[in-house]
Amino acid sequence: DAKTTQPPSMDCAEGRAANLPCNHSTISGNEYVYWYRQIHSQGPQYIIHGLKNNETNEMASLIITEDRKSSTLILPHATLRDTAVYYCIVRPLQGAQKLVFGQGTRLTINP
Amino acid sequence: SAVISQKPSRDICQRGTSLTIQCQVDSQVTMMFWYRQQPGQSLTLIATANQGSEATYESGFVIDKFPISRPNLTFSTLTVSNMSPEDSSIYLCSGSSGANVLTFGAGSRLTVL
Repeated sequence: DAKTTQPPSMDCAEGRAANLPCNHSTISGNEYVYWYRQIHSQGPQYIIHGLKNNETNEMASLIITEDRKSSTLILPHATLRDTAVYYCIVRPLQGAQKLVFGQGTRLTINP
Repeated sequence: SAVISQKPSRDICQRGTSLTIQCQVDSQVTMMFWYRQQPGQSLTLIATANQGSEATYESGFVIDKFPISRPNLTFSTLTVSNMSPEDSSIYLCSGSSGANVLTFGAGSRLTVL
């Protein structure tokens, strides 16, 4: 599986957009970019995934660069409840569906 | 997406004993996985629970220590055998129905004294 690189921690003010970067320079053509988050004492929660086009849902937006070597997760209006560890994971669409977690980014939303 | 329930949510166990964690899914899932999360760390995949056959273990994990059962498409168990304090972790079950989204349970927090 391709590996990802994320900053270990980030801070963001409540109400502002939180932009979380992820590098995945060795991503293969059949691998998707997934984002999960883990709020303290809970299991990981799916946020969004994409292949090459930008994606948006009710939780976040995912911007993938044209060369697919990096991506950014955007939380448009961060709230205190968005404080969590955010994991960027690359995973093939077919075959083994397991997720291999890196260390993630600890995002702290400040009032 | 599927809803996953785990039991127990937490337990405190004595060294040398074994504990079985149950994972129940509210719908049939094709894939089920077990993860471990040690204190302050990320999640590490233990194994893929295969329905009707032996689980597929990741490097560093063995069946004798972490026997897994999956009798059907909605249920799996993970046993942590002959526990030591180093086994104190959160154990998480996850499942996928093939819709590209893996759902996780809330985890079972195990403390070994």
